[in-house]
Amino acid sequence: GQQVMQIPQYQHVQEGEDFTTYCNSSTTLSNIQWYKQRPGGHPVFLIQLVKSGEVKKQKRLTFQFGEAKKNSSLHITATQTTDVGTYFCAGVQWNRDDKIIFGKGTRLHILP
Amino acid sequence: GAGVSQTPSNKVTEKGKYVELRCDPISGHTALYWYRQSLGQGPEFLIYFQGTGAADDSGLPNDRFFAVRPEGSVSTLKIQRTERGDSAVYLCASSPGLNNYNEQFFGPGTRLTVL
Repeated sequence: GQQVMQIPQYQHVQEGEDFTTYCNSSTTLSNIQWYKQRPGGHPVFLIQLVKSGEVKKQKRLTFQFGEAKKNSSLHITATQTTDVGTYFCAGVQWNRDDKIIFGKGTRLHILP
Repeated sequence: GAGVSQTPSNKVTEKGKYVELRCDPISGHTALYWYRQSLGQGPEFLIYFQGTGAADDSGLPNDRFFAVRPEGSVSTLKIQRTERGDSAVYLCASSPGLNNYNEQFFGPGTRLTVL
């Protein structure tokens, strides 16, 4: 069936370094959402991308939706300790009754 | 304002028992979702309500799982004859609007442990 894959599964970076997580779908997506889940917390919505090739920025976070609407990325510039958590992408599958499928997430650890 | 609330926060039960998990969505949100999250995994979609009706229940793993939303607000996820493999955090989310083109607001979850 349809899958949404995320890589890497884990990432350790020094504070101040950049971080990128990638999301890939086996089928074309209608849209993609990104969520952040802090340890012990629940997912919190970050952003939604709808258009092919769309790029959105939130301060140090840059989100991109691929031209084919099958992949997406989240890039964090100059990571801070507050960025710790697991980042999930969630894709809405084209012509699949708007079912939303979450990736397994990328867990980000920041080394001080 | 009030967010999505879920009760209980923790539930410990024995194998074979019946459990009910409750979700209070944000007032006015028409869409409500149930997910299950196991350790180290992303949320796994279970069921999606639009108003009172289940718009998509294809994520329910088997007929032991059932969910209702009789008045289009509060929802209850019901699990019969619980099994150890049902242990997970059950997340509820709500969303305004009529489709998945809106952000979802998640509740804190109910941690279910089946002994």
